[in-house]
Amino acid sequence: QVQLVESGGGVVQPGRSLRLSCAASGFTFSTYAMDWVRQAPGKGLEWVAVMSYDGSNKYYADPVKGRFTISRDTSKNTLYLQMNSLRPEDTAVYYCARGSDGYQGAFDYWGQGTLVTVSS
Amino acid sequence: SYVLAQPPSESVAPGKTARITCGGNKIGGKSVHWYQQKPGQAPVVVIYYDSERPSGIPERFSGSNSGNTATLTISGVEAGDEADYYCQVWDTRSDHRGVFGGGTKLTVL
Repeated sequence: QVQLVESGGGVVQPGRSLRLSCAASGFTFSTYAMDWVRQAPGKGLEWVAVMSYDGSNKYYADPVKGRFTISRDTSKNTLYLQMNSLRPEDTAVYYCARGSDGYQGAFDYWGQGTLVTVSS
Repeated sequence: SYVLAQPPSESVAPGKTARITCGGNKIGGKSVHWYQQKPGQAPVVVIYYDSERPSGIPERFSGSNSGNTATLTISGVEAGDEADYYCQVWDTRSDHRGVFGGGTKLTVL
């Protein structure tokens, strides 16, 4: 069965960096676009970034562009989110999600999320 | 940037029909996906491509999309349907960006 397991969250000071990981299993990782979606405490869902199935294309939401980098390691079936220059407003549960159909389809599988808290 | 508008809350009695709207400029020309999220859980897709239902999602869930409004309809609402519901589209006008509506809290009375 499809499984997505995030890790790497924690408490970090403003301005510092953190790298999230998402271990994928149960499907052919190299054939799906993968996304990061976040949810601030008590707030709605916010799309963060997407990476194409082959890693050739990456797109970001405006609030994270230039600070966050999405990447993937097909040999490890793992998706990453490198987060630099973190701000308090980046505090959220970060989910990785599988794109069912490139840039048009729904997110058909989600991980359980990992909490990132940016605070001094 | 493309904006999706959802009512913050809707209430419905058990057994009745709930309709949750998602407004956006010419949203009828886009594909809309709907997610259900219960407290402490990850979202689950309940409708994709406007009106398609994933396996395991009850037939009570249906969707439509036309003009400037997409609608998620839940017939014969049950207590277990109480959750937050989000609509989502892809904005591909300049690059590729996911867009979520603000979410609607469905309360079953």
